[in-house]
Parts: sequence; C-alpha cells; structure tokens
Amino acid sequence: GQSLEQPSEVTAVEGAIVQINCTYQTSGFYGLSWYQQHDGGAPTFLSYNALDGLEETGRFSSFLSRSDSYGYLLLQELQMKDSASYFCAVRDEPGGKLIFGQGTELSVKP
Amino acid sequence: EPEVTQTPSHQVTQMGQEVILRCVPISNHLYFYWYRQILGQKVEFLVSFYNNEISEKSEIFDDQFSVERPDGSNFTLKIRSTKLEDSAMYFCASGKTSGTYNEQFFGPGTRLTVL
Repeated sequence: GQSLEQPSEVTAVEGAIVQINCTYQTSGFYGLSWYQQHDGGAPTFLSYNALDGLEETGRFSSFLSRSDSYGYLLLQELQMKDSASYFCAVRDEPGGKLIFGQGTELSVKP
Repeated sequence: EPEVTQTPSHQVTQMGQEVILRCVPISNHLYFYWYRQILGQKVEFLVSFYNNEISEKSEIFDDQFSVERPDGSNFTLKIRSTKLEDSAMYFCASGKTSGTYNEQFFGPGTRLTVL
C-alpha cells in the first residue's frame, strides 16, 4: 500500500523552532510537498523537494532524503498564526495525484 | 494572484439526491483534480482529469461519481445519489504542467452535508 507517516500533533512556543517529520512508502516518487491548512480551509502549498537536501523559503525549510524515504518541515521563529495542520504529500507520478499524510496539528503557545 | 474558486461553499442535501459541485480552475492550468476530506481526517484523492478525460480515479470514485469540463472554465463533480458517508469537504485543485514539479493549487472547498 501507499502510506505517509507524520506525528499527529506538536506543541511549541512562540519564537521557537519546530520540526515535523514525514516518512513515506509509495509505489512511485516524484517529490515531497508540504501543505498548511487552517481550520479545514484550503490546503496551501508551502514547499516542495524533488532532490535530496534542504530547501529554504523564508521561515520555512524542508528537507528530503530519498534513500531514507524521509523528509521534514522546519518552521523557525514560530508565530501564533502558524497554528494549523501541516500535511506532507507525495506525488507518485508526473502530474499525478497527491498522496497525503494524516496531518500534524501544530499548536503555538504564547 | 489567480486562484481556484468553488461553489457553493456549503451544500446540504438529502440522502439519495444528486449534487453538483462546481470549480473554476486557474485559467492556464491543464491538470484538474478533486479531493475530499472527511472531518478530522486526511485529504484523499478522488479523480484527476487531463485533456478532457479522466487520467486516474481512486476506489472512492465509483459509478455514483462523475466529472465534467462542460466549457473552457468550469470543472464539475457530480454525485448521482448521495449517501451519508459522502458528507465531507470537497476540494478542487489545478496544476499547470505534468513535469516533475507540478504544484497543485487548491480551492476553498465545498462542505457537503448529507442528511
């Protein structure tokens, strides 16, 4: 089967750094994406890794190791507005569907 | 900035009734998708659509579901005879290319409630 595993919830304080891990097992692999979702609204694209290494976009960074079938999302200088659900997703073929993980609920405390 | 739009935002229907959910993808995108999310669960793929035909569908997408692109802008999902378990948030998404990098942009969703 196809599966992505990520922690169900993470709590951190404002200003801190938090890492959300994702391990995947899929029939094909054409990149790992991260999406943010506030209160069941539209998933919003955050980042994408097709190759091993770190991608940085402002306060958010994402890492991929294809040999380990593992990636993570790193959020720095946490703000209250970062409280949301974060989903990792794998594309199993070019232009194909996204296979989502169960999501990680991030709570940022003052 | 261009965005995916969906109507209605909330649809309430009786079991057994037909519903049509509407989406307007981003205008220069070629790949279209429907996903659903049952409350508190992960986002699940339903169907992908390219070049006026279904490219892939999941096991959820049975004979009660159909998709259509009736004109150059709209992309619809029809559920012929709704069941209680169809209650979910339905998201439309579109993407520009089939390349390795193909960011999918999601619409705000339609919350379907089947009574």
